[in-house]
Amino acid sequence: QQQVKQSPQSLIVQKGGISIINCAYENTAFDYFPWYQQFPGKGPALLIAIRPDVSEKKEGRFTISFNKSAKQFSLHIMDSQPGDSATYFCAASLVLTGGGNKLTFGTGTQLKVEL
Amino acid sequence: EAGVAQSPRYKIIEKRQSVAFWCNPISGHATLYWYQQILGQGPKLLIQFQNNGVVDDSQLPKDRFSAERLKGVDSTLKIQPAKLEDSAVYLCASSLVAGFRNTQYFGPGTRLTVL
Repeated sequence: QQQVKQSPQSLIVQKGGISIINCAYENTAFDYFPWYQQFPGKGPALLIAIRPDVSEKKEGRFTISFNKSAKQFSLHIMDSQPGDSATYFCAASLVLTGGGNKLTFGTGTQLKVEL
Repeated sequence: EAGVAQSPRYKIIEKRQSVAFWCNPISGHATLYWYQQILGQGPKLLIQFQNNGVVDDSQLPKDRFSAERLKGVDSTLKIQPAKLEDSAVYLCASSLVAGFRNTQYFGPGTRLTVL
């Protein structure tokens, strides 16, 4: 029930195209859904995040679509650029009773944007 | 603002040996996290500290892993004895305060190889 399922595992997109990564969760207690971007040799960095009471959030070329009833959310990267080539992780946050929040990560999607 | 610092960046040890990793969080960040990232998977939370205290260590293999955060700043994660399956990147992250939707900032990680 704590899992977050992510697909696809890898994705190749042409420059200027749209990259779409999908995630699904089971635990309805998750209350925050961030996406992280990770380049080789670096730690993950927060890209964009959404609350479950919002259906869509857009920041520049990055958009999260959230479907609460289906327990699914997705990341759309518009006008994909070679610099977007990285591994993307979806995550879901759970508030802990002792304070703090716990992130559960998906398995990651390796995106390659070709010229 | 300096990011999360970790050392060493790489470590190779034989199984059954011990190893320690060090983390210095972003100045002023009360919450510190240690994650294990096995190749091809998303990060998995091992332990979360709020200042000196442990908030969550439910996924820490306590028979071989230990962690401490002295004076609420730096932290060390130790593995003793190491197993082959401990080969992974160990990520440290910090956030300003515990909890709800606070951004976690990740360090570059320590890549551990157990032979």
